[in-house]
Amino acid sequence: QVQLQESGPGLVKPSETLSLTCTVSGASVTSGAYYWSWIRQPPGKGLEWIGYVYYSGSANYNPSLTTRVTISVDTSKNQFSLKLSSVTAADTAVYYCAREPRSSAWHDYWGQGTLVTVSS
Amino acid sequence: QSALTQPASVSGSPGQSITISCTGTSSDVGGYNYNYFSWYQQHPGKAPKLIIYEVTNRPSGISNRFSGSKSGNTASLTISGLQAEDEADYYCSSYTTSGTRVFGGGTKLTVL
Repeated sequence: QVQLQESGPGLVKPSETLSLTCTVSGASVTSGAYYWSWIRQPPGKGLEWIGYVYYSGSANYNPSLTTRVTISVDTSKNQFSLKLSSVTAADTAVYYCAREPRSSAWHDYWGQGTLVTVSS
Repeated sequence: QSALTQPASVSGSPGQSITISCTGTSSDVGGYNYNYFSWYQQHPGKAPKLIIYEVTNRPSGISNRFSGSKSGNTASLTISGLQAEDEADYYCSSYTTSGTRVFGGGTKLTVL
């Protein structure tokens, strides 16, 4: 059974860097068959694709976030991570990690999500 | 990239059928040879769940009451035999010509 679990601080101050980790079980981040993604959802709003990382470390980001976002993979821990710099209140959201089969562009397994609030 | 356009809300009575549309552009939904299109169901406080992938396919365990289609720049999700448990938010998602992914704004389905 594939499971993904987000972890990280629930509160981040404005202008600081948001850092989250997704721990994967039941699958390996070293599998060449998948991309490992982050998606967010501001309270009461819709989903926004942030980007994905491949086991090789190559990544693909939402153009609207590309200057502030880094997604990386830690194969030794079977985890992948999100860093979003210079956050503002607009970055307050539930952040989901998810798995995307290569050559698909859909997400078949999702984490439960974690709420990150940007506030001083 | 702009979010795909979905109606904010739809409603139907138990047993009826409803259709949710998702409109994009030739750079995403209508892109040539692009069947990289999916639908998700999200209940309150829960993570989204994949219910349709590759325009028309259902993952294992998803009821055949859910069906998808696409024509040009518009895709549709049809739910037949509406049930109370279908009340949720629904999101479409597409590959884009830039190699990124984009979601729709979401549709709230109310079962009357």
